[in-house]
Order: sequence, then C-alpha cells, then structure tokens
Amino acid sequence: AQSVTQPDIHITVSEGASLELRCNYSYGATPYLFWYVQSPGQGLQLLLKYFSGDTLVQGIKGFEAEFKRSQSSFNLRKPSVHWSDAAEYFCAVISGGSYIPTFGRGTSLIVHP
Amino acid sequence: KAGVTQTPRYLIKTRGQQVTLSCSPISGHRSVSWYQQTPGQGLQFLFEYFSETQRNKGNFPGRFSGRQFSNSRSEMNVSTLELGDSALYLCASSRPTGDEQFFGPGTRLTVL
Repeated sequence: AQSVTQPDIHITVSEGASLELRCNYSYGATPYLFWYVQSPGQGLQLLLKYFSGDTLVQGIKGFEAEFKRSQSSFNLRKPSVHWSDAAEYFCAVISGGSYIPTFGRGTSLIVHP
Repeated sequence: KAGVTQTPRYLIKTRGQQVTLSCSPISGHRSVSWYQQTPGQGLQFLFEYFSETQRNKGNFPGRFSGRQFSNSRSEMNVSTLELGDSALYLCASSRPTGDEQFFGPGTRLTVL
C-alpha cells in the first residue's frame, strides 16, 4: 500500500540550531511532494513543493527540502531554527494520477530558547 | 485574494445530533476537499468535490456526506454524531490542475 512515513513524532531543538525533519514514501511513480506546517488551532500552510527538476527546493520561512529518489525521501531542513518555527510539520505525497495527497502523521517541533 | 474560509470555527454538539460545516474556497478554485484531523488518526481524507460532483471519497461511514454548489462553496454534514467525531475538520481548495492544496483554518467540532 502507498504510504508516507514521518519517523519522528517529536523533535526538540534549541533556537539557532539546525533542523532536519525526515519523510519517506512508498510510491511506484515519481510523486509530487509537499511539506506543510500547522500552528496550533490553525490550518495547514504550504512550505514548499517538488514536482520535477532540481531536487533541492527552496520554500518559505528559510526552509528547504531535498528529493532523493534512491532513498524515497524528501527531508525538510532549516539551517537555524527560530522559536516561531515551533509547530506541527506534515509531509504529503500525490502520485498515481490521484489529485488527493496522502499525509504523513506529522512531526511536532519543539524549540527551546 | 481571500483565502479559504470555514464556518463556524467552533461547534459543540451532543451525541445523536447532526451538524453542517461550510467551506468557501479561494476564488477560481473548483476543487474542494475535506479532511478530519484527530490526535490519534492524524489527517484523514473524507471526500473531494469538483464542479459539484464528488470525485474522490475516503473511507468514512455514510454518516459523513457533502455537497458542492455552483459557486464552488461546499458543505459537509455529519448525522447521528458520535463522541469519536470530535475533531478538527479542515477544508482545502485547489486549482483545476489539482496540485497544491490551500487549507482553511478548520472547524473544531466537539461532541459531548
């Protein structure tokens, strides 16, 4: 079955430290890949997306992600985390002709001062 | 351009009642999807409407239904509410090409 895995339920980092959130997927075809962020009580906001081309994509708020086909991964990174980055992060995948994304379970980011 | 709006933002209902949630998509977006978000199950897809037709459906019981109007606004209805229906219900709209989804702030439903 097709799936999206975010292996880390919670991640705690200190403000100013670097961040990497992991995302793995299991799809046969080249998927469309997304990262969304959700602040408490809010909807999801798109951080970045990958459809094709350069496998390193830049997003908003200083985030970037790298598509690695050989590892079926699309990890999200940020060189220096700010306290306002504390939120829930979701990886999502569209594949197989469907318009409906499949979401991972999310990773909760906690930022210590 | 205005974003996706959802009304109401908060609802409290009791078991057995029914509820209707509303979603207004971004202007020009014809696809509207609904999701249920709970701490235990994460984000689960309910259904998607495109041009007033249900195009995709998730794995939810028939108590969950929806519709879309000619102006692309959508409503979802839950009948015979159960405690387990307490959740954040998110609506998302997308362009006809159907790639990126734009989410509303959600409706927080509490069933007592």
